[in-house]
Amino acid sequence: GENVEQHPSTLSVQEGDSAVIKCTYSDSASNYFPWYKQELGKRPQLIIDIRSNVGEKKDQRIAVTLNKTAKHFSLHITETQPEDSAVYFCAATHNNAGNMLTFGGGTRLMVKP
Amino acid sequence: DAGVTQSPTHLIKTRGQQVTLRCSPKSGHDTVSWYQQALGQGPQFIFQYYEEEERQRGNFPDRFSGHQFPNYSSELNVNALLLGDSALYLCASSLGTTDTQYFGPGTRLTVL
Repeated sequence: GENVEQHPSTLSVQEGDSAVIKCTYSDSASNYFPWYKQELGKRPQLIIDIRSNVGEKKDQRIAVTLNKTAKHFSLHITETQPEDSAVYFCAATHNNAGNMLTFGGGTRLMVKP
Repeated sequence: DAGVTQSPTHLIKTRGQQVTLRCSPKSGHDTVSWYQQALGQGPQFIFQYYEEEERQRGNFPDRFSGHQFPNYSSELNVNALLLGDSALYLCASSLGTTDTQYFGPGTRLTVL
């Protein structure tokens, strides 16, 4: 089955700096890669996703890049703000798995004012 | 537009008991997936329901079972509870079995 590894497990940045979180996946058939943000005690919220037919997607301060050859994808957050502090999860799935998401272990992002 | 809702919010049970958790999907969605999230870990897929049938199942024992109703809402049942079943149980809904999933707030289950 699919295995997703996520790094780093914790990340501390100064407000205004950029943050990068990286994930690798094992199943070359995976073709959908969402990112979720989970604040303490709250539900995971979809922040951005990418499908395998594109290499990069951007939404304001958030971008995701995908390298299918290397089987890794990354989340980039620019101009970080204290409200970006949360746990971020990457996930992967493919059409034959329905939308059974396999999640990474999470990254705790702390943005210091 | 109502999002995904779950009930109850919190639940405390003792070992050996049975529990039922409930989920109502986002308006317009017809597929429900259940995930277990242990403290400090990513969610793990339990199973998915579409057209009132279990379509996909993760690596969970038969003690975990579910149901989907004609109105697309769903239940997760866990029998013979173990201490290790303590976790946040998340429900996610989507339109069809390959579309983006949106999560509910979860049910926090504590097994004593």
